Amino acid sequence: DADVTQTPRNRITKTGKRIMLECSQTKGHDRMYWYRQDPGLGLQLIYYSFDVKDINKGEISDGYSVSRQAQAKFSLSLESAIPNQTALYFCATSDTGLAGNNEQFFGPGTRLTVL
Amino acid sequence: KQEVTQIPAALSVPEGENLVLNCSFTDSAIYNLQWFRQDPGKGLTSLLLIQSSQREQTSGRLNASLDKSSGRSTLYIAASQPGDSATYLCAVTGNTPLVFGKGTRLSVIA
Repeated sequence: DADVTQTPRNRITKTGKRIMLECSQTKGHDRMYWYRQDPGLGLQLIYYSFDVKDINKGEISDGYSVSRQAQAKFSLSLESAIPNQTALYFCATSDTGLAGNNEQFFGPGTRLTVL
Repeated sequence: KQEVTQIPAALSVPEGENLVLNCSFTDSAIYNLQWFRQDPGKGLTSLLLIQSSQREQTSGRLNASLDKSSGRSTLYIAASQPGDSATYLCAVTGNTPLVFGKGTRLSVIA
């Protein structure tokens, strides 16, 4: 089984709809992240969480919100989806560990299309 | 603000060739640098992570080097194979979580 899972894998929705993307991990990591990837722009950080009570904005948080329901679960919401939020969304996890190397591991991605 | 640049944006080589992918970053105050591979429409697979105190890391045919003072890293791929065709991304962690370059799209021609 995959260590980092994302649901759904694909979603088509309409402008103005509320959408939730979910991420679960079995790696036991404290840190979780949400990124979006657009062609030609690379990956951009939306939100990140270093533990259950910690939420931080990334570089492109406007229009998004997150919830860290448990150590293993981190969900991303689009309160009112708009077409320019059409992108590939990735969840990632990392653990400082004894070596403090903070290596990140990614989920398979969710392809979101907003019409 | 940290910026990460990868050159070239695309590269095509014949099978068997050794090749080097380049990554540069503007702020040398990093904790680590990570190289990833991404196949079309897929997630990112971590290839190598170099901590700021290290100079290089090796995994099989891959060798990544880091020169923090000059803000540069290279990913060396030996004896390239068609299965190496993918986009290679580098990313650095510093005072903020990972900042990514836009990647190098590699095609290895049989």
